[in-house]
Amino acid sequence: GENVEQHPSTLSVQEGDSAVIKCTYSDSASNYFPWYKQELGKRPQLIIDIRSNVGEKKDQRIAVTLNKTAKHFSLHITETQPEDSAVYFCAASPSGYALNFGKGTSLLVTP
Amino acid sequence: EPEVTQTPSHQVTQMGQEVILRCVPISNHLYFYWYRQILGQKVEFLVSFYNNEISEKSEIFDDQFSVERPDGSNFTLKIRSTKLEDSAMYFCASNGVPGANVLTFGAGSRLTVL
Repeated sequence: GENVEQHPSTLSVQEGDSAVIKCTYSDSASNYFPWYKQELGKRPQLIIDIRSNVGEKKDQRIAVTLNKTAKHFSLHITETQPEDSAVYFCAASPSGYALNFGKGTSLLVTP
Repeated sequence: EPEVTQTPSHQVTQMGQEVILRCVPISNHLYFYWYRQILGQKVEFLVSFYNNEISEKSEIFDDQFSVERPDGSNFTLKIRSTKLEDSAMYFCASNGVPGANVLTFGAGSRLTVL
C-alpha cells in the first residue's frame, strides 16, 4: 500500500521566516495530495491540496509543490505567524477514497 | 458552514466492552469514513463506506470493527470487544463528489479503554 514519509518531525522558526515541510510517497498511482493543519485537541483541517496534473498551487502565504517523477511534494509557508503553530500532516490518495497520512510535523513559530 | 458531527466527544470503557461511536455526515455527502489517531501519532485510515457498503478498509479494521448506516443520517463505528490499544481519537469524515477527496472531518470521539 501507499507509504507517506514526512520530514521534519519538528520545525521551529522565527515569526516572519518561511517554513518548508517535505513528504514523499511510494505509490505512483496516487493522484491527490492534501495538507492538513491540526491544532492541539482539534480536528484536522484542510489548508491546501494539489492534484497530480498540477505542479504548484498557491493560496496567500501557503503553497504546495508536487514532483511526480520524484514522488515528493512540499508545503511552503511564508511570513509565518504564531498562529501558524500546529501539527501539519501531508497525505496521499491512490484510491480516490482513503487518505494515507504522514507522521506529522510539529511547527512552532516564535515571536 | 455544514459540519460533520460526532457523539460522544469522550467515552471511557472497560476492556472487553462494546462501544458504538456515532457520526452525522454532511447531508448531501455520499462517502463516509472513519479514521483514528492514537495520542501523538498520525491519523490512520480505518474504513470508507459508499452506497451502503464498505468500499475500502485498512489492516487495522479487523473483525472487531464494523460500520453501519442505520438510517438516512447516522453513520456508526462499532468496536465489539475493546482492547487497551483501541484507545485513540476516532474521527468521522465525509465527502460529496466521488473522487473529489476533499474530506471534512468531525471533531472526533476520544475513546479511553481501561
